[in-house]
Amino acid sequence: DVKVTQSSRYLVKRTGEKVFLECVQDMDHENMFWYRQDPGLGLRLIYFSYDVKMKEKGDIPEGYSVSREKKERFSLILESASTNQTSMYLCASSGGGTDTEAFFGQGTRLTVV
Amino acid sequence: AQKVTQAQTEISVVEKEDVTLDCVYETRDTTYYLFWYKQPPSGELVFLIRRNSFDEQNEISGRYSWNFQKSTSSFNFTITASQVVDSAVYFCALRSNTGKLIFGQGTTLQVKP
Repeated sequence: DVKVTQSSRYLVKRTGEKVFLECVQDMDHENMFWYRQDPGLGLRLIYFSYDVKMKEKGDIPEGYSVSREKKERFSLILESASTNQTSMYLCASSGGGTDTEAFFGQGTRLTVV
Repeated sequence: AQKVTQAQTEISVVEKEDVTLDCVYETRDTTYYLFWYKQPPSGELVFLIRRNSFDEQNEISGRYSWNFQKSTSSFNFTITASQVVDSAVYFCALRSNTGKLIFGQGTTLQVKP
């Protein structure tokens, strides 16, 4: 079974802190994604990566950056956390073919106070 | 630009009723892929179906069926004889030929006993 693991289920951080959300997949997938989920807004794509060190902005990249130094790991970085970044963050991965479905992690509920 | 619209925010039905969830998409790609995911109250996203842009055949899987019409850019999902266990948030998603995967806002389905 494909496994996508996010490092934390719940996080509480202070405004202005630098926050790292980690995601690891164990199926040698080329593509990895970061989304945030907010009520009424669905899943919004922040960034995705189609290869090591390769990334593309999604629909809401402002305030976020990403890092993919190894194929299995995709990190989302909040350089200076703000209260409007309080949300559920979901990581996903998929195989290299564009016809393959994405598999999701369990999500990280981030609260910025 | 790519876009997925799920106009129905919430739907409530009584058990055994049929229900259709609408999904309309926009893309300039000639090759693309469409997906439906289910998010039950537990929160994990579960893959339901994948369709590519060259295959307009409808699909049926048990009580679930999907209607893909390129002429109207729609990929609708019907649950026949709904059950309480079908209560969840359902997401439609579009994947471009570059691998970018975007989701609609989601439709919350409540099936009452």
